[in-house]
Amino acid sequence: GAVVSQHPSWVICKSGTSVKIECRSLDFQATTMFWYRQFPKQSLMLMATSNEGSKATYEQGVEKDKFLINHASLTLSTLTVTSAHPEDSSFYICSAESFSGGHNEQFFGPGTRLTVL
Amino acid sequence: AQSVTQPDIHITVSEGASLELRCNYSYGATPYLFWYVQSPGQGLQLLLKYFSGDTLVQGIKGFEAEFKRSQSSFNLRKPSVHWSDAAEYFCAVGARYGDYKLSFGAGTTVTVRA
Repeated sequence: GAVVSQHPSWVICKSGTSVKIECRSLDFQATTMFWYRQFPKQSLMLMATSNEGSKATYEQGVEKDKFLINHASLTLSTLTVTSAHPEDSSFYICSAESFSGGHNEQFFGPGTRLTVL
Repeated sequence: AQSVTQPDIHITVSEGASLELRCNYSYGATPYLFWYVQSPGQGLQLLLKYFSGDTLVQGIKGFEAEFKRSQSSFNLRKPSVHWSDAAEYFCAVGARYGDYKLSFGAGTTVTVRA
């Protein structure tokens, strides 16, 4: 149980275009999902917290107009990188939160590799 | 807010030897603690987690970790390393109350030599 998928697994796009990444919880409902960014040889940095039916909460330094997050249902959150530029190239990982056994836990997707040319 | 320190950036170990990865955290109470492994180009795989109870936690792939409150540590160990254990390892700490965000350490790269 507690499987999270991401689509696409990789994407290459031209500078200036927008790219949408989907994060789905396949076998559970998640009111909260998280989006992380990972540069090569670096750790995961939390970008934003996505809450179903409300606006996302962005971490300091993350441009909310650049990284649009929509959490329209209890199983789907999307991250849209708008007007992507080469510096946006990165590995984007989502997680979905589940409450079980008396505590919250995040389950991670496999990640999406974005390359902006 | 919580934070995590992984003091070792890179560790090289011989196949069959023991491995210990260090993790220290900063949090005002007992946090939730996790160890993840990441192979190149892949997502995160949960090795083990600590929420409460027994401070020695068993995980997958023969890994274990011990929570030491007095040292604010959660070190990961494996008695005998296999070549397939070469990967990046991340320690993470989660808040027990509030927003449940995770904070990740910088990671430790493990190289296994034959």
